[in-house]
Amino acid sequence: QSALTQPPSVSGSPGQSVTISCTGTSSDVGSYNRVSWYQQPPGTAPKLMIYEVTNRPSGVPDRFSGSKSGNTASLTISGLQAEDEADYYCNSYTSNSTYVFGTGTKVTVL
Amino acid sequence: EVQLLESGGGLVQPGGSLRLSCAPSGLTFTSYAMSWVRQAPGKGLEWVSVISTSGDDTHYADSVKGRFTISRDNSKKTLYLQMNSLRAEDTAIYYCGKGTYSSSWYYDYWGQGTLVTVSS
Repeated sequence: QSALTQPPSVSGSPGQSVTISCTGTSSDVGSYNRVSWYQQPPGTAPKLMIYEVTNRPSGVPDRFSGSKSGNTASLTISGLQAEDEADYYCNSYTSNSTYVFGTGTKVTVL
Repeated sequence: EVQLLESGGGLVQPGGSLRLSCAPSGLTFTSYAMSWVRQAPGKGLEWVSVISTSGDDTHYADSVKGRFTISRDNSKKTLYLQMNSLRAEDTAIYYCGKGTYSSSWYYDYWGQGTLVTVSS
């Protein structure tokens, strides 16, 4: 199972919006609404930000939103803040009943 | 408050074995599917394995299939990962995760991890 493809890095100024893409195949992202997004600051455990493509867990700011079109899922951070600087990973269920992570994206707040 | 505490990591020689444990607190263990993921030093997250609430349904990444075994003891409220035939590329921080069911299972809490180093 190959990792989902994410851009290595994205950046933006405070208050701007950034979008991270996550491209898979018809065997994972394209076939299931089971895409999650995790935030991971350096040296910490992953934190769930989005589940089932668009749902935010309790406590996650509404600046974070998810979407999907075809084989590509996306995470958008609106109103970027300094505390959003971290690595972000997408994750999808697959047709083999397994899961696969994306390659990861480093978000930098300029 | 949900907490997941991993243990059992350490230094092991190539070809050796190690068993990781994960002891959740603040939740009804038998109600949740559980999972392991890992992260090699300086690298991204890699999904490793998942187990159903009863333990009778398990799945593995191709990279560990046939070498790793996930299991759970619901009476002891503990999740395990038995790792055999370890290789240098298995060196990583291993995180256990708790599943939650909505319209499907998703993994919402992860422990702080335990470091496994495979080296001679």
